Amino acid sequence: DIQMTQSPSSVSASVGDRVTITCRASQGISSCLGWYQQKPGKAPKLLIYAASSLVSGVSSRFSGSGSGTDFTLTINSLQPEDFATYHCQQACSFTSLSFGGGTKVEIK
Amino acid sequence: EVQLVESGGGLVQPGGSLRLSCAASGFTFSRYWMTWVRQAPGKGLEWVANIKQDGSEKYYVDSVKGRFTISRDNAKNSLYLQMNSLRVEDTAVYYCASGYCSSTSCSRYFDYWGQGTLVTVSS
Repeated sequence: DIQMTQSPSSVSASVGDRVTITCRASQGISSCLGWYQQKPGKAPKLLIYAASSLVSGVSSRFSGSGSGTDFTLTINSLQPEDFATYHCQQACSFTSLSFGGGTKVEIK
Repeated sequence: EVQLVESGGGLVQPGGSLRLSCAASGFTFSRYWMTWVRQAPGKGLEWVANIKQDGSEKYYVDSVKGRFTISRDNAKNSLYLQMNSLRVEDTAVYYCASGYCSSTSCSRYFDYWGQGTLVTVSS
């Protein structure tokens, strides 16, 4: 099974900052990676799929990059509504999917 | 509008059983892969199980194999998760989820989520 490791587990940032979150796969997954945003008590929301494709309606402040084993989610000009927990997900096959441990973006 | 509504969660003793349901509406349920994802308190997301459109393929995370069974009833637009031999570590919010399907393929990312149902395993 493919293990996904996110870092950092939490980050403190201010409004207007740029935040970068990384996700590493235990083996190559091509571009089969998604990013989700989750706010307390709510279901996750898909932001990015196929490593760098932005879901329709999601702010262009969010961008994703990477392929193989190393991936990055970048949030430019952090806004108050962006304070949340972010999860990566490898999506190579329905036979086995997996998520990273999550990264909490907190207000500094 | 796509809606997924889970039910069936609650408090159960270790070794007990519980059956979760997910009622789907707003899309052609029979054309979609369906998935259960769980989240333990204060923890990350964990994929639990998948089921193909016609129920012919089912996949599970190792930690629930032999204990949990995913199933669906396309006539009732419903997804189920039968959970047996429950353990304390199965305590989590359980989400029903699915990804968009075109006429030729289905996404393995989750565009649609329910609100979740809490399962607590404790004596």
